[in-house]
Order: sequence, then C-alpha cells, then structure tokens
Amino acid sequence: GENVEQHPSTLSVQEGDSAVIKCTYSDSASNYFPWYKQELGKRPQLIIDIRSNVGEKKDQRIAVTLNKTAKHFSLHITETQPEDSAVYFCAASINNFNKFYFGSGTKLNVKP
Amino acid sequence: SAVISQKPSRDICQRGTSLTIQCQVDSQVTMMFWYRQQPGQSLTLIATANQGSEATYESGFVIDKFPISRPNLTFSTLTVSNMSPEDSSIYLCSGYLAGGPKVETQYFGPGTRLLVL
Repeated sequence: GENVEQHPSTLSVQEGDSAVIKCTYSDSASNYFPWYKQELGKRPQLIIDIRSNVGEKKDQRIAVTLNKTAKHFSLHITETQPEDSAVYFCAASINNFNKFYFGSGTKLNVKP
Repeated sequence: SAVISQKPSRDICQRGTSLTIQCQVDSQVTMMFWYRQQPGQSLTLIATANQGSEATYESGFVIDKFPISRPNLTFSTLTVSNMSPEDSSIYLCSGYLAGGPKVETQYFGPGTRLLVL
C-alpha cells in the first residue's frame, strides 16, 4: 500500500512568519493529495488539495506544491496567525481519489 | 458538502464487551470509511464500508474484531468487539463525496471517543 511520510512533527513559528510542511509518498499511482487541519478535539477539516496534473495551487494564505518526479508535496502557510495553530495532516490517494493514506501529522504552533 | 454525525460521541466500556458506533451522512456518499486515531497520532484506516456487501479491511484489522455494516448509502456502523484497553481510541467515520466544493473529497464525522477499562 501507499506510505506517506510527513515532517516536521512539530513546528513553531512567530506570528506573521511562513510555515512549510513537507510530505513524501511511495506509490507513483497516487494522484490526489489533500491537506487537513485538525484542531484539538475536533474533526479533520480539508483546507486545500491538489491533483497530480497540477504543480501548484494557492488559496489565499495557503498553497500546496507537488513534485511528481520526486514524489513529494508541501503545504505553505504565509502570514501565519495564532488561529493557524493546529495539527496538519497530508494524505495521498490512489484508486480514483477515494482511499486516503495519511501522514503522521505536524503540530503547528504560531506564537503571537 | 456532506454533514456527518456519529453516535455515541464518547463512551467508557468494560473490557470484553462490544460497542457499536453509528455514522449517518446527510448525502448519498459514494464511499464510507472508518478510521482510528490514537490521541496525538495520525489517522489509520480500518476499513472501507461497502454498501450491501462485506467491508474491505486494511492490513491489521479483521472482521471478527471490527464488524462493519452499511445497509444503505447514508448509514454505516462499526462494532468494536471484545474490547481491551488497547482499543481505547477515537473512531472516525468519513464519507467520500464526488462533486463537492473541493471537487472530490472526504468529510469526517466528529469522532467517537472510546475508553476501555
């Protein structure tokens, strides 16, 4: 099956700085890469996603880049705010987007 | 988008007993999944709930321990059988909806927090 690795496990940044979280995947058949944000005690919420036919996607302060050759993808958050503090999970999906394999998570702490 | 609810939200159970978790979706989702999340850990896929047929289990999970039903497109149950303290975890169901705001994505239920004594 697919193996998704994510790092760093924890990330602490100052408010206003940028944060970057990186993931690698093993199965070249993976074709859909969502990112989820999970606040303490809450369910994971999709924040951005990218398909394998796109190299970069941006949504306001967040962006995701994908390098299919290297099999890695990254989440970029600019102008971080304290409310960005949460655990972020990357995931990879094969077989037409349905079964997701999650990374180990990154706990982001944005210090005011 | 899809709204997903789970019951119960939390429970404390004695070892050796079983607990059935219900998952209800407000849309006819294509796929439904069950995950387990240990505190502070990632999500581990338990199985894909197939409508009207046996669930498809991931490596390390078996039907005798985690029987799953999905009688229709909007409802599924997961039973945690013969529980032990190692089964203490958060169990989340999810629905995969094609054509949602993010085109195709999974929506998660709020989770069921299970503690086995």
